[in-house]
Amino acid sequence: AQSVTQLDSQVPVFEEAPVELRCNYSSSVSVYLFWYVQYPNQGLQLLLKYLSGSTLVKGINGFEAEFNKSQTSFHLRKPSVHISDTAEYFCAVSDGVDSGYALNFGKGTSLLVTP
Amino acid sequence: GAVVSQHPSWVICKSGTSVKIECRSLDFQATTMFWYRQFPKQSLMLMATSNEGSKATYEQGVEKDKFLINHASLTLSTLTVTSAHPEDSSFYICSARAETQYNEQFFGPGTRLTVL
Repeated sequence: AQSVTQLDSQVPVFEEAPVELRCNYSSSVSVYLFWYVQYPNQGLQLLLKYLSGSTLVKGINGFEAEFNKSQTSFHLRKPSVHISDTAEYFCAVSDGVDSGYALNFGKGTSLLVTP
Repeated sequence: GAVVSQHPSWVICKSGTSVKIECRSLDFQATTMFWYRQFPKQSLMLMATSNEGSKATYEQGVEKDKFLINHASLTLSTLTVTSAHPEDSSFYICSARAETQYNEQFFGPGTRLTVL
């Protein structure tokens, strides 16, 4: 089964600065990748997903991620963050039908945006 | 977009009692529903996968007799925590997958369970 590593448990950043949240996955023939955001005491909201096609994926709230097969990475980026982006971010991977479409989540990265 | 609801959003119960959590897909038919558990400051851990009309598949280490899952219809799955204990206190999140959305799950808002 696929596994995901989020290298940074916490990322502090100043408002309007760029940010990158890192995600690496274990290799597989086919893989589907997701980034979710979780605000305190809430469920998960999908930011973006890679299923196939273009390796640069654009999502909501100005986020984007690039699928890099050779480096088995799917890093999340935003060119200019806002205070409201403060939240927990989870990278997730699925094998698709091979795993019954179940998701394996990384441990999460806490993004803290300060003025 | 697809909406998934959970009820209740939070519940407090006494040790030894059972608690039922409902997960509903409001505007689509969910052939598969997933139940996750999340401890404070930690990631989501998959507990079980349920397909409508069949028995749930539990992940290793999850007691199926303690966490009863029923997926009786294409829009409803329930998780019952039987004989709850304080260590069962957690945030329980469900997600649902539609037949036409092979690789995307839609998540509910979660249920905060506190066992006294």
